[in-house]
Amino acid sequence: EADIYQTPRYLVIGTGKKITLECSQTMGHDKMYWYQQDPGMELHLIHYSYGVNSTEKGDLSSESTVSRIRTEHFPLTLESARPSHTSQYLCASSEWTVGASGNTIYFGEGSWLTVV
Amino acid sequence: TQLLEQSPQFLSIQEGENLTVYCNSSSVFSSLQWYRQEPGEGPVLLVTVVTGGEVKKLKRLTFQFGDARKDSSLHITAAQPGDTGLYLCAGAPSGGSNYKLTFGKGTLLTVNP
Repeated sequence: EADIYQTPRYLVIGTGKKITLECSQTMGHDKMYWYQQDPGMELHLIHYSYGVNSTEKGDLSSESTVSRIRTEHFPLTLESARPSHTSQYLCASSEWTVGASGNTIYFGEGSWLTVV
Repeated sequence: TQLLEQSPQFLSIQEGENLTVYCNSSSVFSSLQWYRQEPGEGPVLLVTVVTGGEVKKLKRLTFQFGDARKDSSLHITAAQPGDTGLYLCAGAPSGGSNYKLTFGKGTLLTVNP
């Protein structure tokens, strides 16, 4: 069973507000990821991290930022939320690089963000 | 950009029926993964296939990786209502960064009792 947790699960906020989506894992994984998924659409990688103090942008451009100060914690922040940021945000972690034989990527339950 | 096309997009069947869903690309992948995602939850990894032509079985689920490592299929035998969910395939790029999985849009399966 995955030990990766996201909070909040659901959030409705007004335009212009700053929000932080929390993600924590207790598996000691170095690799962590943030994906964005709109209903009926594929997952898009927006941020990833190789380890502490390492962050990179993913394929889909995002106005969000991330930090990795501790191995277990990978928060995502939107400084000024807009309606276009409405989506589901999924955090994930893995022990090894994606696609490596035997590697498993564990996803959190997701954070549903609605900006009004 | 590597794209994964999944078909069908929606599938509704009766309990006990067999089904196959497909994941196709014009690109070669070093490996391919299948996930199942239930409403309001994150995806859960079902299997990783690595070798061209590889077949893996997980109880009533059979996964196959194409010989050229460009496509994959998932076959479910005697489907049950508990199989209901969104089935996603995801490919790891052949060469280049191993951090960027490409996901398909998924097949939404509904198994009616």
